[in-house]
Amino acid sequence: AQKITQTQPGMFVQEKEAVTLDCTYDTSDPSYGLFWYKQPSSGEMIFLIYQGSYDQQNATEGRYSLNFQKARKSANLVISASQLGDSAMYFCAMREVDRGSTLGRLYFGRGTQLTVWP
Amino acid sequence: DSGVTQTPKHLITATGQRVTLRCSPRSGDLSVYWYQQSLDQGLQFLIQYYNGEERAKGNILERFSAQQFPDLHSELNLSSLELGDSALYFCASSVGTWGENTIYFGEGSWLTVV
Repeated sequence: AQKITQTQPGMFVQEKEAVTLDCTYDTSDPSYGLFWYKQPSSGEMIFLIYQGSYDQQNATEGRYSLNFQKARKSANLVISASQLGDSAMYFCAMREVDRGSTLGRLYFGRGTQLTVWP
Repeated sequence: DSGVTQTPKHLITATGQRVTLRCSPRSGDLSVYWYQQSLDQGLQFLIQYYNGEERAKGNILERFSAQQFPDLHSELNLSSLELGDSALYFCASSVGTWGENTIYFGEGSWLTVV
């Protein structure tokens, strides 16, 4: 079964508007972490934001916020005031804590290609 | 700059050859991960080391091997290369193996097998 599902292969948003990138996850562990990464066309993988499963509040980092809905197993990324430089592939990832040999590894979704237009 | 350094950034080699990719983790990070990214497979976890010891193994082929040295840098060795091994190879590091730590990625090594 897919650990991370990103259902939007591509999204378009106008500059200065907000956009939400969807992510759902699957785990039976009570303790886990959720991550979002940005990959521009140059290829590097840039860490954006982290949410722990026990965190009571949604994580925020500048223009990025994570809409964490634990019961729905959803961890959507919200980018406010989009900029042209936000055009990139965005990956949602999960890290489980208590699994034996898979401890520490990240499970990635297939990504969402975001295009910001002027 | 994530602080994770990977070399080389680009590499072109022929089928059947062997290459070594090098990674220096962020200062203080004990855990190193290797990932392979290709268009058809997406991001695939290969292997993880923690303080010199192998901790987890993913979809790593037998032709591939890795190690982490006492100074914590890591190398990924790819041998008997095939066209399908062409991919972007990432190294990532984190402080420890428990789940809450952020994992930072290097810029990747682009491998092209011709």
